[in-house]
Amino acid sequence: QSALTQPASVSGSPGQSITISCTGTSSDVGNYNLVSWYQQHPGKAPKLIIYEVIKRPSGISNRFSGSKSDNTASLTISGLQPEDEADYYCCSFAGSSTHVFGTGTKVTVL
Amino acid sequence: QVQLVQSGADVKRPGASVRISCKTSGYTFPNHPIHWVRQAPGQRLEWMGWINAGNGNTEYSQKFRGRVTFAGDTSASTAYMELNSLRSEDTAVYYCARVAIYYFDYWGQGTLVTVSS
Repeated sequence: QSALTQPASVSGSPGQSITISCTGTSSDVGNYNLVSWYQQHPGKAPKLIIYEVIKRPSGISNRFSGSKSDNTASLTISGLQPEDEADYYCCSFAGSSTHVFGTGTKVTVL
Repeated sequence: QVQLVQSGADVKRPGASVRISCKTSGYTFPNHPIHWVRQAPGQRLEWMGWINAGNGNTEYSQKFRGRVTFAGDTSASTAYMELNSLRSEDTAVYYCARVAIYYFDYWGQGTLVTVSS
């Protein structure tokens, strides 16, 4: 199972919006609306921020939003804040009870 | 509140085995699968597989099949991961994560396993 493809890094200034892409195949991202996104600060465990493509868990800021088109899912962070600086990973269900993570994206707040 | 607390860091020789525990609390253990994810230093998250905490059924990533075993103890609300034939490339932080349908909603704090001669 190949990892989903994400840009290695994305940066933006405070208050700006950024979008992180997550490209898979018709066997994973394109076949299921089961993409989730995780935020990971250095030395910490990942934290769920988006599930089922567009849904936000309780307590997650509405500055985080998700979408999907064909084999590519996207995470948008609006109104970028210093605390958003972290690594972000997408994950998709890939059938047959398996999951696959993305390559990860480092977000830098300039 | 839901908590997953993992066992502490470990150092192993190449060829050895490691067993990590993941003690859960705050919910009904059999009701949620436990998945295992690892992260080598500076690298991405890598899905390893999962165990149905209710009936013990398991599913392993093809990469680890034959070398990893998941187990669960419902009386202790604890899941276990054992990885055999360790090599230097297995040096990583290993996480357990609770699954709500198809996403990981709660994670353990991670366990660093260092494989070194």
